[in-house]
Amino acid sequence: QKEVEQNSGPLSVPEGAIASLNCTYSDRGSQSFFWYRQYSGKSPELIMSIYSNGDKEDGRFTAQLNKASQYVSLLIRDSQPSDSATYLCAVLGGYNKLIFGAGTRLAVHP
Amino acid sequence: DGGITQSPKYLFRKEGQNVTLSCEQNLNHDAMYWYRQDPGQGLRLIYYSQIVNDFQKGDIAEGYSVSREKKESFPLTVTSAQKNPTAFYLCASSATGTALTGELFFGEGSRLTVL
Repeated sequence: QKEVEQNSGPLSVPEGAIASLNCTYSDRGSQSFFWYRQYSGKSPELIMSIYSNGDKEDGRFTAQLNKASQYVSLLIRDSQPSDSATYLCAVLGGYNKLIFGAGTRLAVHP
Repeated sequence: DGGITQSPKYLFRKEGQNVTLSCEQNLNHDAMYWYRQDPGQGLRLIYYSQIVNDFQKGDIAEGYSVSREKKESFPLTVTSAQKNPTAFYLCASSATGTALTGELFFGEGSRLTVL
C-alpha cells in the first residue's frame, strides 16, 4: 500500500463546476496535510494546508480533512480552465517526512 | 524578488558522467531539499539540509551527493553510480531549520536526460 494515494485521473469537469480531488494516507499519526498545484512542466506551488479535522476555505478552494477515515480532499468551486493542472497531496508523517502522492490531473473544459 | 534559482533548466549527460545541478535561494531559509520527480510518481526526497554544513539522506540518496557550504546554496551532484538518472529534479526550501514542514518553496526544476 502506498503511503499517500491519489487517483491519477484525468478528472475532467466543465467550466463552472465543482472539482473534487481526493487523497488517502496510511500513517495514522500524520498531523499536517498539504495540497500543491503543478502546471505541466513547472514546479509545484502550495495552495492549501490543513491541520485539523473539518473544512478550511480559501477563496474558491476548500480543503477537507477526516483523520479518522484517513482522507483529505480538495474542492475547487467554479472551476476555470486555468485550474487545469496536476494536484499533489502531501502528508507530513513520522520523522517529519513529507510524503507526496503521485498527483491527480485535472482538466477543466470550456 | 526572493526565490529559488535552479540551473541548468535542461541538461543532457552521457552515461558515466557526473553532473552537478545548482540551487540558490535568497529567501533566507534554513532548510533546503532535493526531490526527484518521474512520470506518474510523486516527488521523492533525495537529500535535505536543515543547517549549513549538515545534510541528511532522503529516501533515494544512492548515486547522489550534496554539499551545504553556504546557507544560500545546495548543489546536487548526480554521479555515474545513479542507475537511472533521467528525471525532473526539484530543489525546495522552507523557513524553519528546526523541523521539516510541509510548506515548501520550489525552484523551477532541472530536467536531466541521459543519452
